[in-house]
Amino acid sequence: GAVVSQHPSRVICKSGTSVKIECRSLDFQATTMFWYRQFPKQSLMLMATSNEGSKATYEQGVEKDKFLINHASLTLSTLTVTSAHPEDSSFYICSASGRQTNQPQHFGDGTRLSIL
Amino acid sequence: AQSVAQPEDQVNVAEGNPLTVKCTYSVSGNPYLFWYVQYPNRGLQFLLKYITGDNLVKGSYGFEAEFNKSQTSFHLKKPSALVSDSALYFCAVRNQAGTALIFGKGTTLSVSS
Repeated sequence: GAVVSQHPSRVICKSGTSVKIECRSLDFQATTMFWYRQFPKQSLMLMATSNEGSKATYEQGVEKDKFLINHASLTLSTLTVTSAHPEDSSFYICSASGRQTNQPQHFGDGTRLSIL
Repeated sequence: AQSVAQPEDQVNVAEGNPLTVKCTYSVSGNPYLFWYVQYPNRGLQFLLKYITGDNLVKGSYGFEAEFNKSQTSFHLKKPSALVSDSALYFCAVRNQAGTALIFGKGTTLSVSS
């Protein structure tokens, strides 16, 4: 099946640091990639949707200057958490889909971000 | 607006017994419905989907789900639960734009030996 690789799996860093998370589709062309945030024992909250070569669409309440998303190719999207603070600590998950909307999204394994 | 409800926070079953994890949905138009499973500190794994066709959908690991249009439900089922099925299960519906998924709050399945 389709594989999405997310890296790193875990990040621990100091407050004020910027952190970049990569999401790669390994065996298919991901025309659309999604970034989710998940709090403990809660559902996934969609943060933004990005289409290859265009600006990401952010959900209401998500700061686009705080969470920078780049989708420069059909196999790679990155999420950069800028000047991270403890409240940004969370589990971030990316997913990717191809052109057909009736196909499932494929998820990365997530990144556990801990800001000290 | 599209939405998904999973009324149970937790479902407990004994190994070997059948299991059901409930999901109801609200959509305008035809629904695209999905079930995913999440193990601790991992991403989501796709189990099955309903787009059109037979109301009973078979998926991975012996799971199946029944689409019921009149009850707007898409319950996940398995005839005989395994301890290894213990995980967090999410029901999801495709949003109106046909892009992102809208997830239910999740149901923790606990299978005891």
